[in-house]
Amino acid sequence: AQRVTQPEKLLSVFKGAPVELKCNYSYSGSPELFWYVQYSRQRLQLLLRHISRESIKGFTADLNKGETSFHLKKPFAQEEDSAMYYCAPTRDSSYKLIFGSGTRLLVRP
Amino acid sequence: EADIYQTPRYLVIGTGKKITLECSQTMGHDKMYWYQQDPGMELHLIHYSYGVNSTEKGDLSSESTVSRIRTEHFPLTLESARPSHTSQYLCASRAGGGAASTDTQYFGPGTRLTVL
Repeated sequence: AQRVTQPEKLLSVFKGAPVELKCNYSYSGSPELFWYVQYSRQRLQLLLRHISRESIKGFTADLNKGETSFHLKKPFAQEEDSAMYYCAPTRDSSYKLIFGSGTRLLVRP
Repeated sequence: EADIYQTPRYLVIGTGKKITLECSQTMGHDKMYWYQQDPGMELHLIHYSYGVNSTEKGDLSSESTVSRIRTEHFPLTLESARPSHTSQYLCASRAGGGAASTDTQYFGPGTRLTVL
């Protein structure tokens, strides 16, 4: 069965420190991977998609097919990055997202 | 304003009651989804629809049912609520015409259901 694992429930870093939120997936075929974010009192929203190879709010994510990972990284964390982050691969063309359990990022001043 | 709406935002109800959670979107999206999320746990897909009169069950078995009579409306119904149904329910939608890898899925604000 397809699974996505986010091993850390909570990640606490100081402002300006690098941050890496881990995501490992078990998925057959070629997945499309996304990171979603939920800031306090806001809706779940798309942060970035791997196919775009984009950097959003300083975050990047590289798909490593060999390690089946899609870790989210930012070189210098900011307090406003504090939020819940969910890794989500899609299931083929039906686009049914499979969400991980999420990692709460806390950036301390 | 184009958006996705869920009502009620919070619902506390007794066991055995029939409830309907409303979800409407004004973005003209074909695809709509219902997710269930317990605190600190994963979001699980429980229902989805690719268009009017199309509904499918998701990965997590649910006693709820859905209907899609109009494009913009995707209500979820529980015929007889139980404490095990206590959870947060998130509705989402996506445009149907683009590639899965480029279309964004938009989420509603959620309904937090408590069954006593």
